[in-house]
Amino acid sequence: DIVMTQTPLSSPVTLGQPASISCRSSQSLVHSDGNTYLSWLQQRPGQPPRLLIYQVSNRFSGVPDRFSGSGAGTDFTLKISRVEAEDVGVYYCMQATQFPVTFGQGTRLEIK
Amino acid sequence: EVQLLESGGGLVQPGGSLRLSCAASGFTFSSYAMSWVRQAPGKGLEWVSAITTSGGTTYYADSVKGRFTISRDNSKNTLYLQLNSLTAEDTALYYCAKYQRYFDYWGQGTLVTVSS
Repeated sequence: DIVMTQTPLSSPVTLGQPASISCRSSQSLVHSDGNTYLSWLQQRPGQPPRLLIYQVSNRFSGVPDRFSGSGAGTDFTLKISRVEAEDVGVYYCMQATQFPVTFGQGTRLEIK
Repeated sequence: EVQLLESGGGLVQPGGSLRLSCAASGFTFSSYAMSWVRQAPGKGLEWVSAITTSGGTTYYADSVKGRFTISRDNSKNTLYLQLNSLTAEDTALYYCAKYQRYFDYWGQGTLVTVSS
């Protein structure tokens, strides 16, 4: 199974400041079809997860452009350019390059 | 608007069974793979199972293989998960999600509690 490791596990951030979350996979996420199936999810308190980014860097419909994804191979990053109060929650990376689908442990974003 | 509505959760004794359902609307259900993901109380996300568009191919996490069965009825736009031989470790909120090698839409979840 591909292990997904996120850092940090907790991130206190000042409103209006940037935030960054890293995700590392135990093996390359490049699929034989040439795509990389790494996505990012946000889970606000008491809510189901919500897709933010798919295939490394594609913002899903309705996601603010302050969210961006980057990376390749085994190393990936989610960046929030200016954190807003509504961004509080837990962020997960996940891979779907091969079964079983696996998730990172989650990174809790909180406001300082 | 895409909607996924899970049902069927509840309190069940260890060794018992449940059948979860997920009613889908707002998209062409038969054209998309679907999946179940669970979240134990206070814990992270765990993928459980996935099924292809026709239902011809299914995938399972090792933790549920042989005990859970995923299926779908495209005529009813409904996804199912049969849970057998339940243990306390299966206690979780079970989400259904539309799957395209990412989960673009999620339901609100249905809670399964396994306890005597």
